[in-house]
Amino acid sequence: GENVEQHPSTLSVQEGDSAVIKCTYSDSASNYFPWYKQELGKRPQLIIDIRSNVGEKKDQRIAVTLNKTAKHFSLHITETQPEDSAVYFCAAPEGGADGLTFGKGTHLIIQP
Amino acid sequence: DAGVIQSPRHEVTEMGQEVTLRCKPISGHNSLFWYRQTMMRGLELLIYFNNNVPIDDSGMPEDRFSAKMPNASFSTLKIQPSEPRDSAVYFCASSFLAGPGNIQYFGAGTRLSVL
Repeated sequence: GENVEQHPSTLSVQEGDSAVIKCTYSDSASNYFPWYKQELGKRPQLIIDIRSNVGEKKDQRIAVTLNKTAKHFSLHITETQPEDSAVYFCAAPEGGADGLTFGKGTHLIIQP
Repeated sequence: DAGVIQSPRHEVTEMGQEVTLRCKPISGHNSLFWYRQTMMRGLELLIYFNNNVPIDDSGMPEDRFSAKMPNASFSTLKIQPSEPRDSAVYFCASSFLAGPGNIQYFGAGTRLSVL
């Protein structure tokens, strides 16, 4: 089955700096890689996703890169703001299946 | 649309009792997922349905857990008998189409405490 590793578990950055979270996956058949943001006590919400036919996708201050050869993908947040503080999860599906396997999460702390 | 609706939001019960969690997916969505979130194990897929049919229940911890989807607008996750280690937040999610790559929308979750 799919195994998703996520690093770091905690990331503290100064407001305005960039943050990078990295994930690796094991199933080479996986072709869809979403990122979810979860604020304390709230539900996970999709912030960006990427499919295996592209190497990078950007949405304002958020970008995701994918390296299928190395089986890793990363979330980049630029010009971080206090509202970016949350836990971020990467995920990947089992090859050909619908359910998601999630990484263990990264607690992003934005220091004022 | 109100999004994925879960009930109850909080459930406190005693060990050995039966617990039923409920989920109403977004109207028109064809896939429904049950996840469990704990500090130790993170977010885990328990089971998912496509067009009301259970497709993969390999994540269900043991026979004490069962899930049903009698129609396109309702699903239940039942734990009988409940144990303290079942304490977690249980999320239901739905997506418009079956197949990987379809965005999953999560409900607000049910926080279960088994004493």
